Amino acid sequence: DIQMTQSPSVMSASVGDRVTITCRASQGISNSLAWFQQKPGKVPKRLIYTSSSLQSGVPSRFSGSGSGAEFTLTISSLQPEDFATYYCLQYNTFPLTFGGGTKVEIK
Amino acid sequence: EVQLVESGGGLVKPGGSLRLSCAASGFTFSIAWMTWVRQAPGKGLEWVGRIKSQTDGGTTDYAAPVEGRFTISRDDSKSTLFLQMNSLRTEDTAVYYCVKANALDIWGQGTMVTVSS
Repeated sequence: DIQMTQSPSVMSASVGDRVTITCRASQGISNSLAWFQQKPGKVPKRLIYTSSSLQSGVPSRFSGSGSGAEFTLTISSLQPEDFATYYCLQYNTFPLTFGGGTKVEIK
Repeated sequence: EVQLVESGGGLVKPGGSLRLSCAASGFTFSIAWMTWVRQAPGKGLEWVGRIKSQTDGGTTDYAAPVEGRFTISRDDSKSTLFLQMNSLRTEDTAVYYCVKANALDIWGQGTMVTVSS
């Protein structure tokens, strides 16, 4: 199985900060990588697919990059509604695997 | 509006069975690959398995922890996805989400399954 290592697992940030979350795959997955946001008690929401394609309706402050085995989710200017947990997902190879999650907390 | 609505969750004893359903609307269900994802209380997301469309063979794939115990099926005439769960274990306790497509673009609201004596 492909392991997805997400870092950091927890981060503290302030409104307006630039935030970067990294996901590393244990082997190459081309660009078959998606990012999800989940708020407490809510359903996960897809933000990014094929590594860098922005889901319709998602603010442009979210962006994704990477290919192969290293990927990044960037929030250019953190907003109050962005405090949440973020997960990456590789869908190149079965079984699909998620990263362990990054909780973005208020500093 | 694209919508997925799960049902069938509840409390079951270890070794028991449960069948989850997911009613789909707002898209052409018959050509969609469908997935089940679960999330144990306070934990991360875990892919459970998926079923291809009938036109793509209708085959299924499962995560190792559920292989041989869980079965995914679909009724395209009713736009409904199913997850039959047998030989349930306490570690299967989770919210189960029905999700559209391989890249998980649309999620249902989830249904809670609790396995406990």
